[in-house]
Amino acid sequence: DAGVIQSPRHEVTEMGQEVTLRCKPISGHNSLFWYRQTMMRGLELLIYFNNNVPIDDSGMPEDRFSAKMPNASFSTLKIQPSEPRDSAVYFCASSFNPADTEAFFGQGTRLTVV
Amino acid sequence: GEDVEQSLFLSVREGDSSVINCTYTDSSSTYLYWYKQEPGAGLQLLTYIFSNMDMKQDQRLTVLLNKKDKHLSLRIADTQTGDSAIYFCAESKEGSQGNLIFGKGTKLSVKP
Repeated sequence: DAGVIQSPRHEVTEMGQEVTLRCKPISGHNSLFWYRQTMMRGLELLIYFNNNVPIDDSGMPEDRFSAKMPNASFSTLKIQPSEPRDSAVYFCASSFNPADTEAFFGQGTRLTVV
Repeated sequence: GEDVEQSLFLSVREGDSSVINCTYTDSSSTYLYWYKQEPGAGLQLLTYIFSNMDMKQDQRLTVLLNKKDKHLSLRIADTQTGDSAIYFCAESKEGSQGNLIFGKGTKLSVKP
């Protein structure tokens, strides 16, 4: 398996534009997590899914952020409209189930909003 | 509240031991983790310890857990230049091991 695959690796967009980040979890994994990493706040969990259902979205910063998981092999994180303070590295991770001891992380998407 | 604290920087010489320390607040955490992040890469799980253990050894890595003081440490024996990276301590929220609270990371620099 190629691991967790995120796209794009880098995204530069102008303030106000819509941004969509994509994630393909490891095949067979039932839990998927979106994290955001910034210098100021470190790594923060935004939302996680189990069996394609959002379980905890309390980390989603505001209504401009939304995440979907239409099937077991694909998830998106959308920011609309984007703002400069959204600039960060966004990581997707997956695990076999929520109680699994290891979550496997993707390489991340570096988002810059100018 | 939930908070994981660790020092931001550590510098050691090649061949020495490195000790990275971490304190956490959630006593209900079932597992505690150490992740490694190399520049431009995602996070890689190094090791984890179950909360009812006080030590775990895995090759050059030794994890010590003091549950009373909520203190976790990672010791890397015979540190190599390839160990230079950022090391994150993390605790899990009960019932969901991927729902992690991370520290800000300790940047380990290994000098030849």
